[in-house]
Amino acid sequence: DAGVIQSPRHEVTEMGQEVTLRCKPISGHDYLFWYRQTMMRGLELLIYFNNNVPIDDSGMPEDRFSAKMPNASFSTLKIQPSEPRDSAVYFCASRAQRAGFMDTQYFGPGTRLTVL
Amino acid sequence: LAKTTQPISMDSYEGQEVNITCSHNNIATNDYITWYQQFPSQGPRFIIQGYKTKVTNEVASLFIPADRKSSTLSLPRVSLSDTAVYYCLAIIYNQGGKLIFGQGTELSVKP
Repeated sequence: DAGVIQSPRHEVTEMGQEVTLRCKPISGHDYLFWYRQTMMRGLELLIYFNNNVPIDDSGMPEDRFSAKMPNASFSTLKIQPSEPRDSAVYFCASRAQRAGFMDTQYFGPGTRLTVL
Repeated sequence: LAKTTQPISMDSYEGQEVNITCSHNNIATNDYITWYQQFPSQGPRFIIQGYKTKVTNEVASLFIPADRKSSTLSLPRVSLSDTAVYYCLAIIYNQGGKLIFGQGTELSVKP
């Protein structure tokens, strides 16, 4: 299994530009999570999906952030317009829910975003 | 939501046993205690998970007392490669396994 795949691994952009981060979860996993990590705030959960449906987006910082999951094998996190304070490492994670058993989340390698 | 508190940093030497204790005073009945490990420039990696008493796997042991207000991750005979940040967190069963990460414990293993 290839694990959770994220692209790009690094992104440098200018303030005001649109940024799209991509994630391919592990096949068969029906939960997908987006996290953001910074030195100041640590690891924060932004949003998570179950069976492609957004369940909890309370961690999304503001309307500039949006996430979609058009199918079971693909999700995007979009920032429009981007700002320097959005600079962080963004992680995607996926998990399978098996009845009566709490499975673990598998994290991708992350996308390091720098907004100038 | 269960808030976890753990030491910010710990130092150890190769070959020693390391115990990292985490407090979670307001843990809910359905919450599981889970520990993740994170190396620089990588995503967190699952280590161990438990609900009560003791759980052991090939990597670590997890001790959870009856009141579940704390837990201790035990790493036997650490090596330099165990230098990482360790997160204790509650996995919220009723919310799709939602994880709330705390500040983590930065473990430094010295030769």
